[in-house]
Amino acid sequence: QKEVEQDPGPLSVPEGAIVSLNCTYSNSAFQYFMWYRQYSRKGPELLMYTYSSGNKEDGRFTAQVDKSSKYISLFIRDSQPSDSATYLCAMSPHASGGSYIPTFGRGTSLIVHP
Amino acid sequence: NAGVTQTPKFQVLKTGQSMTLQCAQDMNHEYMSWYRQDPGMGLRLIHYSVGAGITDQGEVPNGYNVSRSTTEDFPLRLLSAAPSQTSVYFCASSRPSGGAYNEQFFGPGTRLTVL
Repeated sequence: QKEVEQDPGPLSVPEGAIVSLNCTYSNSAFQYFMWYRQYSRKGPELLMYTYSSGNKEDGRFTAQVDKSSKYISLFIRDSQPSDSATYLCAMSPHASGGSYIPTFGRGTSLIVHP
Repeated sequence: NAGVTQTPKFQVLKTGQSMTLQCAQDMNHEYMSWYRQDPGMGLRLIHYSVGAGITDQGEVPNGYNVSRSTTEDFPLRLLSAAPSQTSVYFCASSRPSGGAYNEQFFGPGTRLTVL
């Protein structure tokens, strides 16, 4: 079993829908939870990150972490065709004095159709 | 700043050939990493470096070599290419932030086909 599990999809939704993307993990040491967005034929770019549990909102995007269930989510409100991309979750432990290379999920392909 | 640059963008090799994928960054980042991305497999870490002269293996290191002689450059060498190494390769760099999250800055990728 991989440390980070993510359904690869594809997930196809109509424009304006609320999208829910999820990852589960097994390593209880993970403290930092990140979401990257990758457009076709491009490198991933950091979209959002959260530390430990709780919610974080940035415009139409909300990241949610439930450490008790080892489950994280990314919600996209009022989805747009321009949101069509692959979304990868990534996680790392807290490290004193340095940083860990994050562990990535497989990525979920999202298609928002007009 | 150019960020993270990778060359070449595309490459076709024959089985058994060797080649070097180039990666450079101009952000003075200490950490650099190589990933491969295959359909349905996500990003898998090949090798990484936490500073010049220091490298370590990731999840899938077999068949690849790295070295880090400068902060800016982190080349990935394929010793004897195999069809299983057909993939998209991404280089990334980051700056450790005192124990906090480690944002990876990715290059545009190199698409490699091994026949």
